[in-house]
Order: sequence, then C-alpha cells, then structure tokens
Amino acid sequence: AQTVTQSQPEMSVQEAETVTLSCTYDTSESDYYLFWYKQPPSRQMILVIRQEAYKQQNATENRFSVNFQKAAKSFSLKISDSQLGDAAMYFCAYRSAFSGAGSYQLTFGKGTKLSVIP
Amino acid sequence: DAGITQSPRHKVTETGTPVTLRCHQTENHRYMYWYRQDPGHGLRLIHYSYGVKDTDKGEVSDGYSVSRSKTEDFLLTLESATSSQTSVYFCAISAGLADQETQYFGPGTRLLVL
Repeated sequence: AQTVTQSQPEMSVQEAETVTLSCTYDTSESDYYLFWYKQPPSRQMILVIRQEAYKQQNATENRFSVNFQKAAKSFSLKISDSQLGDAAMYFCAYRSAFSGAGSYQLTFGKGTKLSVIP
Repeated sequence: DAGITQSPRHKVTETGTPVTLRCHQTENHRYMYWYRQDPGHGLRLIHYSYGVKDTDKGEVSDGYSVSRSKTEDFLLTLESATSSQTSVYFCAISAGLADQETQYFGPGTRLLVL
C-alpha cells in the first residue's frame, strides 16, 4: 500500500515571501500521479497542482510550482509571492496509474497548515 | 466547480440512529467517492463507485454502506451512527480521461454524533 507523509504539521510565511511545503511518499509502482490540494477555512478542497510521474518537467501553475524528485520519492510545493489568501491546509495526495476499477482513489497525507503573516 | 452538491451540509444526530448523506453531481461522471476527514488523519476513502450499482470498499468502510441507483446520486449511509463517525464527509468525482484524471470535491458535510 502507498503512504504519503507530510512532515511539517504547521508552517508560516511572510506575505510576499516564498515557502516550500514538503511531501514524501512510499510506493513500489513506477507510474503514478501526485497532487496538491488546498483547503481554506471554508473547508472546500481545491486542486492546486498535479504531476505525472513519467514527466521529468516539474509542474507549475502561476505562483505554485513543484519540485518532483522521483528517485527520492519527494514532491514538494513551492508558493512564491505568498498572499494572505494562501493561508490554508495543504494536502499532498498520491494516485496509482493502474487502470483497474477503483484505481483512481487518492491516498492523502495528513496535511500542513500554512499561515501567512501580513 | 465540478457541479457537486452535498446534503445536508450539517447534521447533528444521536448514537444508534441511521443517517444518510447525499452526493449529487450534474456532469454525468462515472466515478464517485466518499471520504472522511478527521484531525490528524487527512482524508480517508470510505467507499467508491465506478458506475450505477457498482461500488467497492475503501480504507475505512466499516459501519458504512453506499448505494448508487442513478449516475448523478451517490448515497452514504450510517446504519447505526456512533460517536466515532463524527467527522467531515466529502464526496468527490473523477473528471478527465485516464491520464488527465483528477478528483474534484464537494463542499463537505459536517456530521456530529452525540
């Protein structure tokens, strides 16, 4: 079974600065997908970014980018120019690429609470 | 917004009573999921569905059952609620073809079992 570990329960960043959230995972599979979700106080789960394991290029979405290190099984999220609206819980998630029934289920880490200091 | 609604959004119930949570989607997605979120655990999969009347168990399925009689509705039932089932419940759908598949979540239901 796959596991996802987020070793930083809480982090803080000054507004306009850059912060990196860590995620490591354990899998014996060679093909999979990784995701970062954001959960603001409203509790809505919002997709931030996704990464395909077969792609060497790191995914980016505006101020959000990842550092994907497949050999190290590491998938960190970098938030640049942090804004007050970035304050939220951030969850890392893993999904197998196997195409059997049920294979689309996500395995989540426990989350990192990010605070943004004005 | 993937057109997912959940009802009710909040519920307080007593131990031993049955509870049904509803997830409704408007975009004809095949895959639907129920997760629960608890402090210190992230989100954990309860049950999922890969079509009408096609369901399977997830990581934490004990005490829960599901049904899907229509593509658009996925019901989660607690046959006899217990305090350990106090949680926030999220429904999700899968959108996109296999390589681009991504899960999108509903707004959540907060359930308190007294």
